[in-house]
Amino acid sequence: GAVVSQHPSWVICKSGTSVKIECRSLDFQATTMFWYRQFPKQSLMLMATSNEGSKATYEQGVEKDKFLINHASLTLSTLTVTSAHPEDSSFYICSARDPGPENEKLFFGSGTQLSVL
Amino acid sequence: DAKTTQPTSMDCAEGRAANLPCNHSTISGNEYVYWYRQIHSQGPQYIIHGLKNNETNEMASLIITEDRKSSTLILPHATLRDTAVYYCIVRVLYSGNTPLVFGKGTRLSVIA
Repeated sequence: GAVVSQHPSWVICKSGTSVKIECRSLDFQATTMFWYRQFPKQSLMLMATSNEGSKATYEQGVEKDKFLINHASLTLSTLTVTSAHPEDSSFYICSARDPGPENEKLFFGSGTQLSVL
Repeated sequence: DAKTTQPTSMDCAEGRAANLPCNHSTISGNEYVYWYRQIHSQGPQYIIHGLKNNETNEMASLIITEDRKSSTLILPHATLRDTAVYYCIVRVLYSGNTPLVFGKGTRLSVIA
């Protein structure tokens, strides 16, 4: 199946700093990617939809100025957690749809565990 | 998308079949049943999907009742690596740029 690569796998940062997470579609082009957040023992919660060449759309309750999304190319979307605080510590996951033969599926990155000290 | 109901957790002995149920009594005629799983600290992985006929692939089988109000995901010979949270999602065939909405899923523990 299609491959979605997410980097880094884990990151530890100090409170107040910013962290950038990258999501790449390795063998297909994705005009849209999705960002999810997952707290321990909870399900995935959609944060935002990343659209190539245009502004991301955010789910209710997600601060767009805190979670900056950039989708500058058809294979790369980035999520930047600005001025991170301990409550932002979570597992962040991106996903994308391959428009090819497996277009009925969403493929997911391996996730990024963010720990804010 | 129709709502689904799954048991919170299940255990299965290694080597035995794992049967994971899902209720979706409000499913519409054009909605498919999708199954994904999430192994600890990884992103979700697609397993299988179907409309009304039973489906089988290299990972699992999907049995959908005739009235389509429930389904069962079958892992024929569960291994320890199948320990994961399994999500049953009902939605129209994924053809647009819309995300998947995840419920709470079933936490399957495969026991040696």
